[in-house]
Amino acid sequence: DAGITQSPRYKITETGRQVTLMCHQTWSHSYMFWYRQDLGHGLRLIYYSAAADITDKGEVPDGYVVSRSKTENFPLTLESATRSQTSVYFCASSENDRAHNEQFFGPGTRLTVL
Amino acid sequence: SQQGEEDPQALSIQEGENATMNCSYKTSINNLQWYRQNSGRGLVHLILIRSNEREKHSGRLRVTLDTSKKSSSLLITASRAADTASYFCASRMDSSYKLIFGSGTRLLVRP
Repeated sequence: DAGITQSPRYKITETGRQVTLMCHQTWSHSYMFWYRQDLGHGLRLIYYSAAADITDKGEVPDGYVVSRSKTENFPLTLESATRSQTSVYFCASSENDRAHNEQFFGPGTRLTVL
Repeated sequence: SQQGEEDPQALSIQEGENATMNCSYKTSINNLQWYRQNSGRGLVHLILIRSNEREKHSGRLRVTLDTSKKSSSLLITASRAADTASYFCASRMDSSYKLIFGSGTRLLVRP
């Protein structure tokens, strides 16, 4: 049971390049989320998805694009990476259950933009 | 702006002591959750307390919620060196499945 995985775990890229971070979950959870974590800011929501083909902006969506063609995958693309996007990115998923709603997190991707 | 703010930002205690972390939020919530993050890892869910609950226990964890003050606290009793981690509160508003995370408390438990 793999749970939720992210790839790559580490990525170094250059300003202006396109980068895609992958997220895959094996639970068939309806909801998936992308966060970035920076010192002093905790976790900030970038985008989230309630189901396949349904996505919505979070707190800091600028410069990012997401898609959700399959329930289990939720890739995050930086169309033209900037240094300010250097961060640790976490993917998370949760069930469509109003009574619970706890989120399960992947191990993170550490992205450095030079 | 973030919904949750946590206090203190950092806490250092001796093994065996209790650790208390506080969280404040701004709008009405459906539930409030606490997560733990070990260095270099993802967050792990610890405990959830609903808006109609005032206190909840899970092992050595005790969470309280005061909706009139829009605040919550996490108490870890009889702390261990293995409890060293960052702890985050996350609030879920009534009308949303999103969680809004606080900035976290870094706990160091000295052996």
